[in-house]
Amino acid sequence: SQQGEEDPQALSIQEGENATMNCSYKTSINNLQWYRQNSGRGLVHLILIRSNEREKHSGRLRVTLDTSKKSSSLLITASRAADTASYFCATDAYNAGNMLTFGGGTRLMVKP
Amino acid sequence: EAGVAQSPRYKIIEKRQSVAFWCNPISGHATLYWYQQILGQGPKLLIQFQNNGVVDDSQLPKDRFSAERLKGVDSTLKIQPAKLEDSAVYLCASSSNKWDRSGNTIYFGEGSWLTVV
Repeated sequence: SQQGEEDPQALSIQEGENATMNCSYKTSINNLQWYRQNSGRGLVHLILIRSNEREKHSGRLRVTLDTSKKSSSLLITASRAADTASYFCATDAYNAGNMLTFGGGTRLMVKP
Repeated sequence: EAGVAQSPRYKIIEKRQSVAFWCNPISGHATLYWYQQILGQGPKLLIQFQNNGVVDDSQLPKDRFSAERLKGVDSTLKIQPAKLEDSAVYLCASSSNKWDRSGNTIYFGEGSWLTVV
């Protein structure tokens, strides 16, 4: 079963705009991670946010975590065509033995 | 640092045939994962190894799927006999499980694409 669910499932924006993707999950977590997957490729780790953190930045990425709502968001600022990919959230559930559970992903298209 | 290596990259087989995928994790990584990713969906964990022991294989269809990690390094995932619904990308991943600044980051290989016809 998938712990995380991303919203929206697909997002199309113009280059330079910001892209926001949301993730909701069901059980208590140790941390939440965001991964990126280009078409036909493996997943690449983007950022990890621990359950006691509320916000984290990495370059043009900003991740927030609200454990009371069991939700997270990934913001990509000043998007580029190269950001076109699928983005997945993955949760490391408490007492789940380092097992990551992935959501269904958001397919982002950035038009030049 | 070399990444997670997988082979073959692509495989087309007929239903009821067998197939095997190989994975070499990042050197020193104790935990190895096999995920199945059906087109348009997120990865689903099939099996997780810690060294050469199985941590979780609750979502592995054991009637047709098997995996081993002899000597706690390389791993092989086998499907026999294959069904049409097994068409997917099989992703191998590894992690060190060291709680450093990167936490439990999982590093993925490029995947083995299976088409069952």
